[in-house]
Amino acid sequence: DAGVTQSPTHLIKTRGQQVTLRCSPKSGHDTVSWYQQALGQGPQFIFQYYEEEERQRGNFPDRFSGHQFPNYSSELNVNALLLGDSALYLCASSFPGGGTDTQYFGPGTRLTVL
Amino acid sequence: AQKVTQAQTEISVVEKEDVTLDCVYETRDTTYYLFWYKQPPSGELVFLIRRNSFDEQNEISGRYSWNFQKSTSSFNFTITASQVVDSAVYFCALSDGGTSYGKLTFGQGTILTVHP
Repeated sequence: DAGVTQSPTHLIKTRGQQVTLRCSPKSGHDTVSWYQQALGQGPQFIFQYYEEEERQRGNFPDRFSGHQFPNYSSELNVNALLLGDSALYLCASSFPGGGTDTQYFGPGTRLTVL
Repeated sequence: AQKVTQAQTEISVVEKEDVTLDCVYETRDTTYYLFWYKQPPSGELVFLIRRNSFDEQNEISGRYSWNFQKSTSSFNFTITASQVVDSAVYFCALSDGGTSYGKLTFGQGTILTVHP
C-alpha cells in the first residue's frame, strides 16, 4: 500500500520563476492538503482540496494556487517566486468519509529559490 | 484564533532516560483534535497519535504515552527509556472547527536528541 508520494524531491529556481509541485495521495484517500515548512519552523497550512475544489485556505497570497485531478492527485503552483518561498513543501492526504481522517504526510519537496 | 505552543525548542538526553515534550494549545472551539507527529531527518512527518477534545483518557503505546488535560489546555508526550532512534523533531498540532481533517495548526517543534 503506497503512501503519499511527492515529486520532485528537490528543486532549485530563481526569483520570479514559476514552479509546480506534485502529490499523489495514499491509496483510498480523496483529500489533499499542502503545507509550507520553513527551516526551523512548524509546517504552515496553505490549502486543502476535496472533490477537485479548494475547500479551505490558509494565509498565503494568490501566488500560491493549486489543483486536484479526478484521480485525487494534486499540484501546487507558485508564481513569481520570492527568496522567502524557499522551504520544504509537504503534501498530506486523508479520507474523511472513511474514518481515516488523520492526515498522512509525504516526504516533501525541498524548494530553493536563488 | 488557534495556537499551539511547544515551549521546549531543544531537549538533549542520554539513552534510557525518560523525556516529556510539552504542548499547550489555544482554541475557542469545543470540538477539536490534537495530534503529535515525528519528523526524522528524512523530512517526512510521521503520525503518532490523535486525540479528540471529548476523550481525556491518557494513552500508552509501548514506550510512548500521552497526557491530555483540558483544564490546562495541554497535551504532553512522554517517551520512556529513550533510544537513539527517538532522535527527531516532534510537532504537536491542533485541528479545530469541529473536524479532524481540516487545517492543522502546528507548534514550532521540539528537537529531541538522544545520546548513546
